[in-house]
Amino acid sequence: SQQGEEDPQALSIQEGENATMNCSYKTSINNLQWYRQNSGRGLVHLILIRSNEREKHSGRLRVTLDTSKKSSSLLITASRAADTASYFCATDAGNTGFQKLVFGTGTRLLVSP
Amino acid sequence: DAGITQSPRHKVTETGTPVTLRCHQTENHRYMYWYRQDPGHGLRLIHYSYGVKDTDKGEVSDGYSVSRSKTEDFLLTLESATSSQTSVYFCAIGHSVIYNEQFFGPGTRLTVL
Repeated sequence: SQQGEEDPQALSIQEGENATMNCSYKTSINNLQWYRQNSGRGLVHLILIRSNEREKHSGRLRVTLDTSKKSSSLLITASRAADTASYFCATDAGNTGFQKLVFGTGTRLLVSP
Repeated sequence: DAGITQSPRHKVTETGTPVTLRCHQTENHRYMYWYRQDPGHGLRLIHYSYGVKDTDKGEVSDGYSVSRSKTEDFLLTLESATSSQTSVYFCAIGHSVIYNEQFFGPGTRLTVL
């Protein structure tokens, strides 16, 4: 079953603009991660935010986490054409024992020059 | 792709035939995963391994089996391929069960006719 759902499913912007993607999930989590997938490639880990963190930055990426609303957002500032990709959130459920990631369905981002 | 290779990268096969996909890592990571990616479903976990000869089922394990006889190799077998198993298959590895950041291979595109 899908834990995370991204919104919007697709986003088209111009270079230099900011891109915001949202992820909602259903159960309590230990952490939430964001991944990028370029066309025809495997996923690449971008950033991880723990359940006790509210905001995290990495370069042009800013991630927020609201555990009360079970939601997260990924902001890419000053987008570049090279940011064109699909972005997935993945949650690490808050059960004991071995933790498995559950991925959302992704947001397709198109950044036009 | 973080020292992970998958073979073959593309395969076309016929319904009813057995198929084995191979994932090979040079990172000496303990955890290995097989996912399938289908439009509208994101990534779904098929099987995973938490050590040599230690494997368990994921969300969509029916029709698949796995084996891990060495740290570096994780094999996914479709005993009798069906058209519903047409998909892109990704292998991933991880070194930590606490934060569970995963590194993905380039994928195998499998078509079952």
